[in-house]
Amino acid sequence: SQKIEQNSEALNIQEGKTATLTCNYTNYSPAYLQWYRQDPGRGPVFLLLIRENEKEKRKERLKVTFDTTLKQSLFHITASQPADSATYLCALPDRGSTLGRLYFGRGTQLTVWP
Amino acid sequence: DGGITQSPKYLFRKEGQNVTLSCEQNLNHDAMYWYRQDPGQGLRLIYYSQIVNDFQKGDIAEGYSVSREKKESFPLTVTSAQKNPTAFYLCATHRTSLGYTFGSGTRLTVV
Repeated sequence: SQKIEQNSEALNIQEGKTATLTCNYTNYSPAYLQWYRQDPGRGPVFLLLIRENEKEKRKERLKVTFDTTLKQSLFHITASQPADSATYLCALPDRGSTLGRLYFGRGTQLTVWP
Repeated sequence: DGGITQSPKYLFRKEGQNVTLSCEQNLNHDAMYWYRQDPGQGLRLIYYSQIVNDFQKGDIAEGYSVSREKKESFPLTVTSAQKNPTAFYLCATHRTSLGYTFGSGTRLTVV
């Protein structure tokens, strides 16, 4: 199995600043890593997938990095907005899994205030 | 629109009662999953299925049962053997190289 730690249960930042969320894993290095957004009372929504041979990936205001040496992924939201307020989950696949099962972190609750 | 439909949104269970949560998808995805989410905890896998008529236990399968008679449907039964069933239940599908698609969840409460 995989142990995942998402630093900071809660992160509060001002609108316009860059939010940086951390995901650390402790066991095997996964073939890829995913980030999800979850709003209260809703299911998570897939945001980005980054593979082990990719150092960085971007999608609009989102940027994800993946450092297999540090066993860490960083998730950045630039020019943050109050609408970005949500819980963000990091997820990693089972080692050698062909079934697609994922292990999820507990999430970081981001609040962007005006 | 393609997606996953979970029903009901809210469900109340009496002590000793079995209840079934519905999950239907029209995405034509092979793999389906059931996760449980408790406050302050990550999602934990209950059961998963890659193909029709086949499924495997996840990390917390005790007290739960599933069936996969159709590709589109993966219902979860919470049995009376599950002593602490109050939680938020999420169904998901997956296609290789893409992320999971989740349903909107069912919140189960023991009364």
